[in-house]
Amino acid sequence: NAGVTQTPKFRILKIGQSMTLQCTQDMNHNYMYWYRQDPGMGLKLIYYSVGAGITDKGEVPNGYNVSRSTTEDFPLRLELAAPSQTSVYFCASSYLREGQETQYFGPGTRLLVL
Amino acid sequence: KNQVEQSPQSLIILEGKNCTLQCNYTVSPFSNLRWYKQDTGRGPVSLTIMTFSENTKSNGRYTATLDADTKQSSLHITASQLSDSASYICVVSAFGANNLFFGTGTRLTVIP
Repeated sequence: NAGVTQTPKFRILKIGQSMTLQCTQDMNHNYMYWYRQDPGMGLKLIYYSVGAGITDKGEVPNGYNVSRSTTEDFPLRLELAAPSQTSVYFCASSYLREGQETQYFGPGTRLLVL
Repeated sequence: KNQVEQSPQSLIILEGKNCTLQCNYTVSPFSNLRWYKQDTGRGPVSLTIMTFSENTKSNGRYTATLDADTKQSSLHITASQLSDSASYICVVSAFGANNLFFGTGTRLTVIP
């Protein structure tokens, strides 16, 4: 298994531009997440999905949108990039077994908005 | 309010020495606690996961402890290696798919 893959690894955007961060997992996990991590800060949940066709907001959803048309893919969309969205974005997927969740993270996408 | 606090914020130790990282939490209802290692520029990787009934779990040179009564956990690293240099993140889960609460991490630097 490739696990959780993210593209691109790094991107520079101008203010007001849009882009989609891609996330794919090949482990057939139902749960998928998008986090952002600012320098020296903990991970903050942006959006999550408990299965194909189902998404919900996390702690910091403003300025982002997601979709989950398949189990494998969970893209994150930025419509009007702002400097405050400069961060490292991590996608994760997880599964539940006997009531316990095991989470796997992708390598991250570093985004710079100028 | 559900919170996870880690200490120290950063730590520098000599190669071969032991160290202990702390995690205090106020998350409720508690489901499990995990420790992750995050190398610079990489995604977090799970080290251990402990439920309410477990008070210690080891993964090689890493040993995590959990005191669910005092809501404290520690991660002990034995005989540190240069490759242990990373951020160590404590994550506490409450019941539910999105109820993961992350600490800000302890930045460990191991020097020769």
